[in-house]
Amino acid sequence: DQQVKQNSPSLSVQEGRISILNCDYTNSMFDYFLWYKKYPAEGPTFLISISSIKDKNEDGRFTVFLNKSAKHLSLHIVPSQPGDSAVYFCAASARETSGSRLTFGEGTQLTVNP
Amino acid sequence: NAGVTQTPKFRILKIGQSMTLQCTQDMNHNYMYWYRQDPGMGLKLIYYSVGAGITDKGEVPNGYNVSRSTTEDFPLRLELAAPSQTSVYFCASSYGTQTYEQYFGPGTRLTVT
Repeated sequence: DQQVKQNSPSLSVQEGRISILNCDYTNSMFDYFLWYKKYPAEGPTFLISISSIKDKNEDGRFTVFLNKSAKHLSLHIVPSQPGDSAVYFCAASARETSGSRLTFGEGTQLTVNP
Repeated sequence: NAGVTQTPKFRILKIGQSMTLQCTQDMNHNYMYWYRQDPGMGLKLIYYSVGAGITDKGEVPNGYNVSRSTTEDFPLRLELAAPSQTSVYFCASSYGTQTYEQYFGPGTRLTVT
């Protein structure tokens, strides 16, 4: 049972344009969501998060949007840069029932072309 | 601060052998985790710990054991290695309360043949 799903294994965009990465979840108990970025041969690094009491969180070029009714979140990167090329993982936590444990999606490989 | 360190970086095991993957963090985090990542898949939680002396199973614990005798260290033991345990293993840590961001080590790539 895949509770967090990233339906696009890959995404390719031009430098300077917007990258939109999507994530869907099924568990209505999830109340905290995170995005991680992973370069080859490295561990994932935290990028941005959002609590379920918000619908948007922004940090520089990165914005995460949460649509609770649709159980959907997205990560927008504007403008995209070649250094953003990496695998992006969506993760979710049900803090009341699962504490700090995270459930991860499968990841989306983003390629930003110069 | 070194953050989360893992050793070894790579290892090849024969079927039936055993080994311990080491994980150390120097951020004084109470919570630590072990994940495995298979190709094209997300990270699956193997075991986690909310403090020294306390461990619990995650999503895929079979074939693994852990211990947490200190805040800093959280080794993962593989007994009787099987080809299905071929994967990349990541250790992570977090404060565990107030914030849920986890900090990951660089990973150990394990091949069982």
